[in-house]
Amino acid sequence: GENVEQHPSTLSVQEGDSAVIKCTYSDSASNYFPWYKQELGKRPQLIIDIRSNVGEKKDQRIAVTLNKTAKHFSLHITETQPEDSAVYFCAASKSTSGSRLTFGEGTQLTVNP
Amino acid sequence: DSGVTQTPKHLITATGQRVTLRCSPRSGDLSVYWYQQSLDQGLQFLIQYYNGEERAKGNILERFSAQQFPDLHSELNLSSLELGDSALYFCASSVSGRGGTGELFFGEGSRLTVL
Repeated sequence: GENVEQHPSTLSVQEGDSAVIKCTYSDSASNYFPWYKQELGKRPQLIIDIRSNVGEKKDQRIAVTLNKTAKHFSLHITETQPEDSAVYFCAASKSTSGSRLTFGEGTQLTVNP
Repeated sequence: DSGVTQTPKHLITATGQRVTLRCSPRSGDLSVYWYQQSLDQGLQFLIQYYNGEERAKGNILERFSAQQFPDLHSELNLSSLELGDSALYFCASSVSGRGGTGELFFGEGSRLTVL
């Protein structure tokens, strides 16, 4: 089955700096790659996603890049703010029509004021 | 509010006991997923149901079982509980099929503590 590896497990940045989280996946059939944010004690929520026919997607301060050849994708957060502090999970699946998501182990991002 | 309802929110029980966690998906969502999140761990996929049928199975222990009912709500049954079963159990739902975006909508989770 699919295996998703995520790095780093913890990341600490100063407010205003950029943060980058990287993931690799094993199943070349995967074509949907979402990122979820989980604040302390809360449920995971989708923040951005990318499909395999797109190399990059941006939404305000958040961007995701995908390299299908290398089977890796990354989350980029610019101008970080304290409220960006959370656990971020990458995930992969074979379709958007109801296939299971396989999650990475998560990255604890801390933005220091 | 994601529209996914999970009960109970908290549950404390003893080793060897059996518990049932309940999930009501968003209106119109046919797929229900169960994930386990242990302390400082990721989201481990347990099982998926689609319109009443089991669609995918992950690392779900034999002591655990689940089902999805005709009204689409789902239950996760955990039996012969062990200390290591203490975790946050999330239910999620999605549209699936044509028109699905792939997004999972998570409930608030059921926190199980086994003493």
